[in-house]
Amino acid sequence: AQSVTQLGSHVSVSEGALVLLRCNYSSSVPPYLFWYVQYPNQGLQLLLKYTSAATLVKGINGFEAEFKKSETSFHLTKPSAHMSDAAEYFCAAKQTGAQKLVFGQGTRLTINP
Amino acid sequence: DTEVTQTPKHLVMGMTNKKSLKCEQHMGHRAMYWYKQKAKKPPELMFVYSYEKLSINESVPSRFSPECPNSSLLNLHLHALQPEDSALYLCASSQPPRGLAGGELFFGEGSRLTVL
Repeated sequence: AQSVTQLGSHVSVSEGALVLLRCNYSSSVPPYLFWYVQYPNQGLQLLLKYTSAATLVKGINGFEAEFKKSETSFHLTKPSAHMSDAAEYFCAAKQTGAQKLVFGQGTRLTINP
Repeated sequence: DTEVTQTPKHLVMGMTNKKSLKCEQHMGHRAMYWYKQKAKKPPELMFVYSYEKLSINESVPSRFSPECPNSSLLNLHLHALQPEDSALYLCASSQPPRGLAGGELFFGEGSRLTVL
């Protein structure tokens, strides 16, 4: 069965520093991959998605992610953190033709002034 | 602004009450979902409707009853809930996966349910 692992339940960076949130998937066939962000007491907002068109995917709010098949990874990065980036981030995967979206456990991002 | 609208935003109910959560989307999506999210956890899939038919039920207790009256609306009827059912209930919609289409989910803001 498909699974998604997010390394680090909590990541803390300084404002202006690089943000790196890690995500690995388990599948012999690369799935569709997504990063979602959830602010407190809100729903999930799609940041970006990988659907095999390009390995480097750019998303909203300055985030991007790189798909690496050899490492079965889809890490999320942002060059310079803003205070407004503080939120919970979920990596998710879906197999081709499947309806079920499999989520990782989430990473809480804290930004220090 | 989200294009998936959920009402009510907050709901408090007793264990003997009957209530409903409502979800509406106008993006022309033909798949709609109910997820349950507990604090500090990822969303857990409950139900999926595809073309107005129930396609996935993740062994959800019968005290939760979904309904899809048409392609834009999704309801979740609640009856005889337990305090442990208190959670954020998220509705989502997508195009059913087809070919190379990624079928990403668009989520509503959620309904915060408290069962006393």
